[in-house]
Amino acid sequence: GQNIDQPTEMTATEGAIVQINCTYQTSGFNGLFWYQQHAGEAPTFLSYNVLDGLEEKGRFSSFLSRSKGYSYLLLKELQMKDSASYLCAVTDSNYQLIWGAGTKLIIKP
Amino acid sequence: NAGVTQTPKFQVLKTGQSMTLQCAQDMNHEYMSWYRQDPGMGLRLIHYSVGAGITDQGEVPNGYNVSRLNKREFSLRLESAAPSQTSVYFCASKGTGEIEKLFFGSGTQLSVL
Repeated sequence: GQNIDQPTEMTATEGAIVQINCTYQTSGFNGLFWYQQHAGEAPTFLSYNVLDGLEEKGRFSSFLSRSKGYSYLLLKELQMKDSASYLCAVTDSNYQLIWGAGTKLIIKP
Repeated sequence: NAGVTQTPKFQVLKTGQSMTLQCAQDMNHEYMSWYRQDPGMGLRLIHYSVGAGITDQGEVPNGYNVSRLNKREFSLRLESAAPSQTSVYFCASKGTGEIEKLFFGSGTQLSVL
């Protein structure tokens, strides 16, 4: 079956760095997305990786290793507003999106 | 730019009642979809549409019907609601281009008693 694993919850301190991991086992691979979802709100797009390596976008970076079925989202200089759930999703060989359950990130002052 | 507009935001139904969730997008997207989100689970695709008059089943289609009469609007209907359909529902549309990312509506919190 197809599966995406990410930690259920993480806690970090304001101003610090946090890495949220995502491992996947899917039938084929056509790209990996990270979305941010604040409580009670809709998911919003953060990043996309289709080739191995690091994609940097301001305070957020996303890394992909296709051979290991692994990605991470790196958040730097954490702010209170970064408290949210972070969803990992993989596009499979049929171009269907498979979603992880999300990682709830709690930022403490 | 409104993006994806979804109504209602909250709804409480009794078992067996019916209702329609409305969704409209103003981004000229061909692809639209309906997801449900339950605690501890990833988003699950209910139905999707690649254009007006074209719909297809997703991962969890049972108990739901959809309608795509035009490019802008994609509705989700529960004919006879069941407690198992208590969930948060999201409409999403997807553009074409280098990154085919989803744009989500604000969600509908549905409770079936």
